[in-house]
Amino acid sequence: EIQLQESGPGLVKPSQSLSLTCSVTGYTITSGYDWSWIRKFPGNKMEWMGYISYSGSTNYNPSLKSRISITRDTSKNQFFLQLNSVTTEDTATYYCAKTDYWGQGVMVTVSS
Amino acid sequence: DVVMTQTPVSLPVSLGGQASISCRSSQSLVHSNGNTYLHWYLQKPGQSPQLLIYRVSNRFSGVPDRFSGSGSGTDFTLKISRVEPEDLGDYYCLQSTHFPRTFGGGTKLELK
Repeated sequence: EIQLQESGPGLVKPSQSLSLTCSVTGYTITSGYDWSWIRKFPGNKMEWMGYISYSGSTNYNPSLKSRISITRDTSKNQFFLQLNSVTTEDTATYYCAKTDYWGQGVMVTVSS
Repeated sequence: DVVMTQTPVSLPVSLGGQASISCRSSQSLVHSNGNTYLHWYLQKPGQSPQLLIYRVSNRFSGVPDRFSGSGSGTDFTLKISRVEPEDLGDYYCLQSTHFPRTFGGGTKLELK
């Protein structure tokens, strides 16, 4: 069974970068599919942030402009999210996912 | 961006009853390849979203046949018959036909 698990700091200061890791087991991320980052804001709005495909190409939500980067380490079967210049508006629960399987999520608070 | 209008926001139901959730898109979700990429998720309290229905009407593995999806073009419906306690939570539709992927605002299924 495919499992995804997010990890990373739960507290980030404004203007700094948010960095999260998604560790995938049960499937090799280079074998297929798109591997996404999605976030859920307080108040329950969900936002698709972007993905890295099995081939390594990326696609980002234009709303995040140049702040987002999704990369991967194929040797560890992991992919990563970096979101730069965070503000309190980036406080959310962050999920890594493919369409049919999601990680448990990590709550990230942006606060000084 | 494609706007996904999901209604109702809150849906009180009785156990054993039926529930219906609507998701309408601001433009057709028919992809150039002929497929329609409209999916439904349930997020139970304290858990990550789980896929119920993919591509309008296909039940994901292990999903009871009490859940059914229908619709076409811009108008989609999720129906839950014989509601059970484990069905309670937040339901979301997601479109992945158009870039960026976008979610509906969510529907909270709760006991009447």
